[in-house]
Order: sequence, then C-alpha cells, then structure tokens
Amino acid sequence: QVQLVESGGGVVQPGGSVRVSCATAGFDFSDYGMHWVRQTPGKGLEWVAFIRHDFSNKQYADSVKGRFTISRDNAKKMLYLQMDSLRADDTAVYYCACSVAAGGLFDYWGQGTLVIVSS
Amino acid sequence: DIVMTQSPDSLAVSLGERATINCKSSQSVLYTSNNKNYLAWYRQRPGQPPELLIYWASTRESGVPDRFSGSGSGTDFTLTISSLQAEDVAVYYCQQYFINPYTFGQGTKVEV
Repeated sequence: QVQLVESGGGVVQPGGSVRVSCATAGFDFSDYGMHWVRQTPGKGLEWVAFIRHDFSNKQYADSVKGRFTISRDNAKKMLYLQMDSLRADDTAVYYCACSVAAGGLFDYWGQGTLVIVSS
Repeated sequence: DIVMTQSPDSLAVSLGERATINCKSSQSVLYTSNNKNYLAWYRQRPGQPPELLIYWASTRESGVPDRFSGSGSGTDFTLTISSLQAEDVAVYYCQQYFINPYTFGQGTKVEV
C-alpha cells in the first residue's frame, strides 16, 4: 500500500526558512516523479514543484521560483521541499504527491503538513 | 496558464440522487497525437487530502466505485455521481495535466 507522510511544518517568521519532508513506502520511489502541491482556503489547490524520478528535471510554479527547492533521496525514499524567503501568502497545507499514470497527474497524496508564515 | 472553471460552486443532492459537476478549461487539454484528454477529477472529503477518482477524462482509478463517471473532450468536461452516497459529501476538483503549470478548478462542494 502506497504511503506518503509529510513532516516539518510549523510556524515560521516572514523571510525565514523551513524544510518539509515526505517519507514514502509501498512503491518503487525511484521509478516515479514526485510533486509538492499546496492548499489554502483562499487560493485552493496550487501545484508548487515537480522532480523527475532521475533528478534530470525540476519544475516550479512562478510563485515560488527562486525561493523554493525540491529535492529527493532515492536511497532513503524521501522527498524534500526547502522553502526560503517565506511570505505570508506561502501559508498553506503542503502535500507531497506521486505521479504514476502521467507526469502531471497526482495519483497518491500524503496527509499534508501545515506551514504558517507569521510574526 | 490554463484556467479551470467549475460549475456550480456548490450543489445539494439527496442521497441516491444524481450529482453533476461541470469543468471548463480556458484552452483545449486534448492531445491530438494520442487522442487523450489530460483532465482529472479528485474528491476531497472533510479533513482529508484529495484522492484521484478519474483520469484521462473518463478512466476510473482502481477501486473507485462505478457510480462515478467522467465525460467530455477538448475544453468541456463533466463528472457524474449516479447515486450519491453519504461518503460522497466532499469537495470535487477538476485538474488539467496537459501543460505545466498544472492547474485546478476552484472546487465544487457537494452536500446532502
């Protein structure tokens, strides 16, 4: 059974940094692309970043480009999102998601981790 | 960016009755080379993450009940729940995966 478990959320000051992680199990992590998707009450669901299974391609939403960095450790079956220069509008639940059937499809989701950017 | 617009924003349906949700994309999500529509539907129950129901506009994900069906092509799509069950009270989202950035509709809340 596919399992995705996010961690690392919390309260961060504006301009600060945080790294959220996603531990995976139940599938061949190194074979699949992975995403971060965030959700806010105001803006709904927003795709944030993607990393190909072999690290050869990383993509970012314009709203986070230059501030967020997606990475993965295939040996540890872990996905990461380093978030720097955080702003209030980055406040959201951050989900990791796995693409199986197609590159931009979110076949499996974690439960999410809440990041609050506030002073 | 492709803008996804759902209608209605909310919908009240009696248990056992049909629910229909529409989704319109600002440009076609049909890839003519393989004749596939890059359109998915998700259900998000209260307090839960979204879960994939339908992809390629009409293919049910494994384990999804057959009361869920998807239709449409190009820019106009529909999700139908043929007989609403209590566990279907949720917010439903359409999403295009035709081109990056992948974008979602604003959601349709289905209530009893």
